[in-house]
Amino acid sequence: KAGVTQTPRYLIKTRGQQVTLSCSPISGHRSVSWYQQTPGQGLQFLFEYFSETQRNKGNFPGRFSGRQFSNSRSEMNVSTLELGDSALYLCASSEGGGSSYEQYFGPGTRLTVT
Amino acid sequence: QKEVEQNSGPLSVPEGAIASLNCTYSDRVSQSFFWYRQYSGKSPELIMSIYSNGDKEDGRFTAQLNKASQYVSLLIRDSQPSDSATYLCAVCSARQLTFGSGTQLTVLP
Repeated sequence: KAGVTQTPRYLIKTRGQQVTLSCSPISGHRSVSWYQQTPGQGLQFLFEYFSETQRNKGNFPGRFSGRQFSNSRSEMNVSTLELGDSALYLCASSEGGGSSYEQYFGPGTRLTVT
Repeated sequence: QKEVEQNSGPLSVPEGAIASLNCTYSDRVSQSFFWYRQYSGKSPELIMSIYSNGDKEDGRFTAQLNKASQYVSLLIRDSQPSDSATYLCAVCSARQLTFGSGTQLTVLP
């Protein structure tokens, strides 16, 4: 099975712009979670989508949003970028049901805001 | 607020030794527990999952869970230089993973 893919891998944006990141989960997985990783804050949960619905949300401002399509692919959008949004953005896929909830990460998108 | 604490490290062990990584969590209703390995510049890789009290072994890795003490650990036997990485403990409750800050492990040849 192919793993989780994320595009683009690297992105440089200017403060105030917006950005859209894409994630394709492992085939058959219906849940996609998004995380932000920075050296100072570690891995922080943004949100989770399951069957096109946001099922969980972390403590991030409304500038961070996401959606999931019928094929389970997910996109994450950040509007009005700030310098502090520079981070590695990771998506993780899981089957979404049952009680195991193992998550498998993609390679990440490295976002730099200047 | 759900918290996951890991011994901050860095931790150095000689090649062939046992590396012991520890994690405590605050949410008593947590159901699933995971260990991820993250090499520098890479994304986290799931290496162990454990759901019930006791030990779970997979090759050179053993995960230990004690729900009464809210404690999870990972033992790496016969440590190799290729095990040098940051190890992240993750705890799942209400379908949401909370990660610890990670322990950086260096295995010295």
